[in-house]
Amino acid sequence: AQSVTQLGSHVSVSEGALVLLRCNYSSSVPPYLFWYVQYPNQGLQLLLKYTSAATLVKGINGFEAEFKKSETSFHLTKPSAHMSDAAEYFCAVRGNNDMRFGAGTRLTVKP
Amino acid sequence: EAGVTQFPSHSVIEKGQTVTLRCDPISGHDNLYWYRRVMGKEIKFLLHFVKESKQDESGMPNNRFLAERTGGTYSTLKVQPAELEDSGVYFCASSQVASRRDTEAFFGQGTRLTVV
Repeated sequence: AQSVTQLGSHVSVSEGALVLLRCNYSSSVPPYLFWYVQYPNQGLQLLLKYTSAATLVKGINGFEAEFKKSETSFHLTKPSAHMSDAAEYFCAVRGNNDMRFGAGTRLTVKP
Repeated sequence: EAGVTQFPSHSVIEKGQTVTLRCDPISGHDNLYWYRRVMGKEIKFLLHFVKESKQDESGMPNNRFLAERTGGTYSTLKVQPAELEDSGVYFCASSQVASRRDTEAFFGQGTRLTVV
C-alpha cells in the first residue's frame, strides 16, 4: 500500500526566506509523487509531480522537489518565499486507482 | 475550458437531514473521484467512477452515503441522514486516464459541509 506523511502541520517563514515542506512516502512499488497547493477558497492545484524521469522536479511558482529514494522523501522547496505562497500544501502518492494524501502543511509567510 | 466545478460551495444542515452534493468533471474525463477532508486531517478517498460505473467505493464510510453518476457525466453524493461526524470538505476530482499512474487529477474547489 502507498502512503505519505507530512512532517509539520504548520510552517512559518519570513518573506524572502527558504521554504522547506517535508514529505516522506511509503510505497511497495516505484512511487509516483505529487505536490498540490490549496489557496484560500480555491480547489487543489497541482504544483509538480515525480514520475521517475528525473529526481529533481521543477514546478510552478518557483517550487521544486527532490525525490530521494534512500530517504523515502519528496520534500518541497522554494529558495525565497513570497507573500502569495501562503496556502496549504499537500503531498500525495498515486495508489492503484486514486491519490493518497498527507494531512497537509499550512504555510504562513511573514512580512 | 471549464475546470471541475462543485455545488454548493457551502452547506449547513441539521443532523438527520439529507444533503446532495454535485460535481461536474472536466468535459471528456471518464474518471471521477470523491474525497473528503475532516477537521484538518488528511484528504481521504471515498470512491472512484469510470464513466457511470463505480470502480472502487472502498472509502465510502457507511451506507448513509450514496454516490451516483448517471450517464457518466456529472456526479452526486448524497448523505442521508447526515450525522455530526459527516462535517468536512468534500472534494471532487477528475482525470482522463486512471490506468496511467503519472496522470494527475484535477480538483474542484470543494463543498464545505457542516452538520449541526
